[in-house]
Amino acid sequence: ETAVFQTPNYHVTQVGNEVSFNCKQTLGHDTMYWYKQDSKKLLKIMFSYNNKQLIVNETVPRRFSPQSSDKAHLNLRIKSVEPEDSAVYLCASSWTGGAYEQYFGPGTRLTVL
Amino acid sequence: GQQVQQSPTSLVLQEGENAELQCNFSTSLNSMQWFYQRPGGSLISVFYNPSGTKQSGRLTSTTVIKERRSSLHISSSQITDSGTYLCAMDTGGLSGKLTFGEGTQVTVIS
Repeated sequence: ETAVFQTPNYHVTQVGNEVSFNCKQTLGHDTMYWYKQDSKKLLKIMFSYNNKQLIVNETVPRRFSPQSSDKAHLNLRIKSVEPEDSAVYLCASSWTGGAYEQYFGPGTRLTVL
Repeated sequence: GQQVQQSPTSLVLQEGENAELQCNFSTSLNSMQWFYQRPGGSLISVFYNPSGTKQSGRLTSTTVIKERRSSLHISSSQITDSGTYLCAMDTGGLSGKLTFGEGTQVTVIS
């Protein structure tokens, strides 16, 4: 049963455009995450966010920014996409502090032409 | 270096064969998870297994935290088991982030 929802499923855009992806979780968790899965299928953390703190992976370019309206939503904005941003972006949620199971959404596949 | 090492990289099984996938961690960890992913598919949590042995149907996971390793055993493999199996560790701390291995691609043939 899906409890982490992502939209859109797919997005195709051109270099330099701005895109925004949505994520919502209905599990009542207080921490949400964005991961990037590249063409080699390797998953890497981009952001970890709860009510109190945003933790950013230092390798994430500044054109990426998370946006949250409440603890159930964490969107991802990319200000000016580059070809290397083509990937699958996965949203996840869990309870705070680690050592808790994470639940993932279905992902948004971004293609940058 | 790679903090999470998975082996083998890929595996081809005859339907009905058993398999064991390994995951080794280079740092101490709080917990770990096993995930399953079909090509183009969602990431599905198979086991959340901080320590000890857990079983679900034909799948068994054993984590030995002190030795920084975990294994996933598939018994009597079926064609529907084909896909990529990923392990991930949580090293603790506020972020709660998971660090993933590169995955084991499993193909079950009839």
